[in-house]
Amino acid sequence: GNSVTQMEGPVTLSEEAFLTINCTYTATGYPSLFWYVQYPGEGLQLLLKATKADDKGSNKGFEATYRKETTSFHLEKGSVQVSDSAVYFCALIKTSGSRLTFGEGTQLTVNP
Amino acid sequence: EAGVAQSPRYKIIEKRQSVAFWCNPISGHATLYWYQQILGQGPKLLIQFQNNGVVDDSQLPKDRFSAERLKGVDSTLKIQPAKLEDSAVYLCASRPSGGSSYEQYFGPGTRLTVT
Repeated sequence: GNSVTQMEGPVTLSEEAFLTINCTYTATGYPSLFWYVQYPGEGLQLLLKATKADDKGSNKGFEATYRKETTSFHLEKGSVQVSDSAVYFCALIKTSGSRLTFGEGTQLTVNP
Repeated sequence: EAGVAQSPRYKIIEKRQSVAFWCNPISGHATLYWYQQILGQGPKLLIQFQNNGVVDDSQLPKDRFSAERLKGVDSTLKIQPAKLEDSAVYLCASRPSGGSSYEQYFGPGTRLTVT
C-alpha cells in the first residue's frame, strides 16, 4: 500500500536558520505529492504541491522537488521565521479525488 | 468564501458513551472526507463521500462508527459506543467538484477526549 515517512522530530531552529524536513514515500505509479501545514489551533492548510517527477512546488519561501529516483519530496526554506512554527505534514494522493495518505508530521519550533 | 465548518470544537465523554460531530463543507463542494488524527500521527481517512454516496469507507470501524451525508451537503460522524482509543482530532475536508483539482480544504477539527 501507499505510505509516507517523515524525518523524526521535533525540529528546533533559531530564526533565519536553514530548514530541511525529509520526506520519502512508497507508492505504485505516479502519485502527486504535498506538504500541508498545521498552525496551533487551526486546520490543515496546503503549503505546496507537485504533481509529476522533477516538478518543484513553492510557496511562502518554502520549496520541495518531486524526486522519483529517490522517492523523496524534502521540504526546504532558506531562512525560517518565528511565524513558521507549526506542524508540517508530507502527503501523497494517487488520483485527484481519492484519499490523502499522510506522514507522521514534524513539529517545527523557531526561536527568536 | 466561507471555509469548512465543524462543531463542536471540543468534546469530552466517558467510554461507552456516544458522540456526534457535524461538518458543513464549502458551498458547492461535492466531495467530503472525514479523517481521524491521533496525537503524534498524521490524519487517516475514515470515510469519503461523493455527494451523498459513500466512495471509500474501508478504514471506518463500522461496528462503532457511522457517518451520513444527507442531501449531499452537511455530514455527521457518530461514534457509539466510544472507546479510549477513539481520543483524537476528527477532521472534515471538502474538495471542489470535477476537474483535476487535488486540493482538499480542511476544517479546524473536533478534538475528542474519551475518559
